[in-house]
Amino acid sequence: EAGVAQSPRYKIIEKRQSVAFWCNPISGHATLYWYQQILGQGPKLLIQFQNNGVVDDSQLPKDRFSAERLKGVDSTLKIQPAKLEDSAVYLCASSLGFSGGAETQYFGPGTRLLVL
Amino acid sequence: AQSVTQLGSHVSVSEGALVLLRCNYSSSVPPYLFWYVQYPNQGLQLLLKYTTGATLVKGINGFEAEFKKSETSFHLTKPSAHMSDAAEYFCAVTLYGNNRLAFGKGNQVVVIP
Repeated sequence: EAGVAQSPRYKIIEKRQSVAFWCNPISGHATLYWYQQILGQGPKLLIQFQNNGVVDDSQLPKDRFSAERLKGVDSTLKIQPAKLEDSAVYLCASSLGFSGGAETQYFGPGTRLLVL
Repeated sequence: AQSVTQLGSHVSVSEGALVLLRCNYSSSVPPYLFWYVQYPNQGLQLLLKYTTGATLVKGINGFEAEFKKSETSFHLTKPSAHMSDAAEYFCAVTLYGNNRLAFGKGNQVVVIP
């Protein structure tokens, strides 16, 4: 079974530029998550989709971050404009459904973003 | 809101020695608890999780953890460390009805030959 795919793996941009990350979850997984992992910290949830609807985006900085999940499969996370503090690893994860908190989330390899 | 505390960002252990990583959680309701491992340049992989039932949970690669409600803890152990256990380990918590994983800051484990 193929895992969660993410691209690109690495990205270097200058501040105020825009950047987009792509995620393809495990086939058949209804729930998709985007996490931000800053160096030295644990991942922090940015947004959660169930199918193509947003379940939780309370920690997404909506003035600069946006995400979509068209057709309930692939997802794109965008940052516009980027700030220095956005330098982090962006992890995508997926889970089969929504069993009320006990779901196992499967993580992709992440995209490492450096903002100069 | 639920949260997790992991003390000691870096943990050194000799090959063959006990691995012990401590995790304490804060939650007003019964939590679901997870341990994930992250190898360099890879995503997180589930080691084990506690949802309901038996409080001693066995996971992959010889790891286990025990849920102790009275101590609000979910410490991770492995009897004998192997060089391949060198990685970063994260404890995380969710609550019923909410799939948001709240992670601790992680423990970087170094195995000394």
